[in-house]
Amino acid sequence: GIQVEQSPPDLILQEGANSTLRCNFSDSVNNLQWFHQNPWGQLINLFYIPSGTKQNGRLSATTVATERYSLLYISSSQTTDSGVYFCAVHYNQGGKLIFGQGTELSVKP
Amino acid sequence: DVKVTQSSRYLVKRTGEKVFLECVQDMDHENMFWYRQDPGLGLRLIYFSYDVKMKEKGDIPEGYSVSREKKERFSLILESASTNQTSMYLCASSFNYEQYFGPGTRLTVT
Repeated sequence: GIQVEQSPPDLILQEGANSTLRCNFSDSVNNLQWFHQNPWGQLINLFYIPSGTKQNGRLSATTVATERYSLLYISSSQTTDSGVYFCAVHYNQGGKLIFGQGTELSVKP
Repeated sequence: DVKVTQSSRYLVKRTGEKVFLECVQDMDHENMFWYRQDPGLGLRLIYFSYDVKMKEKGDIPEGYSVSREKKERFSLILESASTNQTSMYLCASSFNYEQYFGPGTRLTVT
């Protein structure tokens, strides 16, 4: 089956720093989503991004489907950005999502 | 905004009990999903449904069943809870491909 790999697995930043999270996938996918899991466990939708670039405030994402990767950029990080970031791909079996293992981000004040 | 709600944030049950986890979405989405999340194992799909009264097994359906009698509601049932079902349970709904998740239920089986 399709493999989804995220890097780095862990990241510690000082408040105000920028970061880039990467998601590689091993096969063609229908679509891709980025999520932020907050400390209470809820998965918050960040981006639905099958290709191209999107921006939402301090966050932006780029997916290059032909090269099978996506990047999530966080600029001017804040302590509230802490948590686990997941990418998930929609494989060919309907709407099923295949998740990566996540990047755990900790932003220190 | 899409809203997916789950009946409980925290739940403690005893081994052998029948457990119902309820999920409701308010966006008339066709598709609904149940996942569990465990440290080191990530998110795994238990069951999903593409329509009322329709269900499909996910990757780890053993020990679980589901019910979808109405479009907005998708229930996960643990027929006889066991300690290895202690986990975080996440429900999601989608239209086409974009999935939206509920707040999750942390279930502890003692």
